[in-house]
Amino acid sequence: AQSVTQLGSHVSVSEGALVLLRCNYSSSVPPYLFWYVQYPNQGLQLLLKYTSAATLVKGINGFEAEFKKSETSFHLTKPSAHMSDAAEYFCAVSHSGGGADGLTFGKGTHLIIQP
Amino acid sequence: NAGVTQTPKFQVLKTGQSMTLQCAQDMNHEYMSWYRQDPGMGLRLIHYSVGAGITDQGEVPNGYNVSRSTTEDFPLRLLSAAPSQTSVYFCATSGRGLGHSNQPQHFGDGTRLSIL
Repeated sequence: AQSVTQLGSHVSVSEGALVLLRCNYSSSVPPYLFWYVQYPNQGLQLLLKYTSAATLVKGINGFEAEFKKSETSFHLTKPSAHMSDAAEYFCAVSHSGGGADGLTFGKGTHLIIQP
Repeated sequence: NAGVTQTPKFQVLKTGQSMTLQCAQDMNHEYMSWYRQDPGMGLRLIHYSVGAGITDQGEVPNGYNVSRSTTEDFPLRLLSAAPSQTSVYFCATSGRGLGHSNQPQHFGDGTRLSIL
């Protein structure tokens, strides 16, 4: 079985400050890990994915995430928050690469950007 | 190139009614999935399919049926709607990448369903 825990249902940061969204996973096999972003009334958009090629993964919009096997973590970061980053963020895990048998999602973290 | 198209975008049903949520993709992806999204719950997998004629249950399959007669379409059926099925439903697709590295899922814009 696999699961994902996202710490903090809401995270608030000031514009220009560091963004850190936490994700811990549980998987019985080497995982594939993903971060998705959801803007209001829209579907999910892929930010980045980890597929064992490199532990530091760079994604779109200046986001990156680091896979730490010893900590079973895949935290999402961005050096400087922008107002347009306000959205819901989901961490997800799969043991099949994401497609064949779907994804297991965390409950999401709502990112609030303070002006 | 439309990607993943879900219809309808909004629907209100009465308890006990039936309906089908449509999902169509034009990317020739083998894999398709249905999720429901509820506040504070993230997305939960309902059913998935690895190809035409093949479907399987996800985490929350009760009350839903699926079929996959073509690569392009993966409809989700509610046979007798219940208020607990009020949710936002997302369809997702992905293809099999090179070197057996599966590709991430592409999501539709969702169907907002209310059961009264």
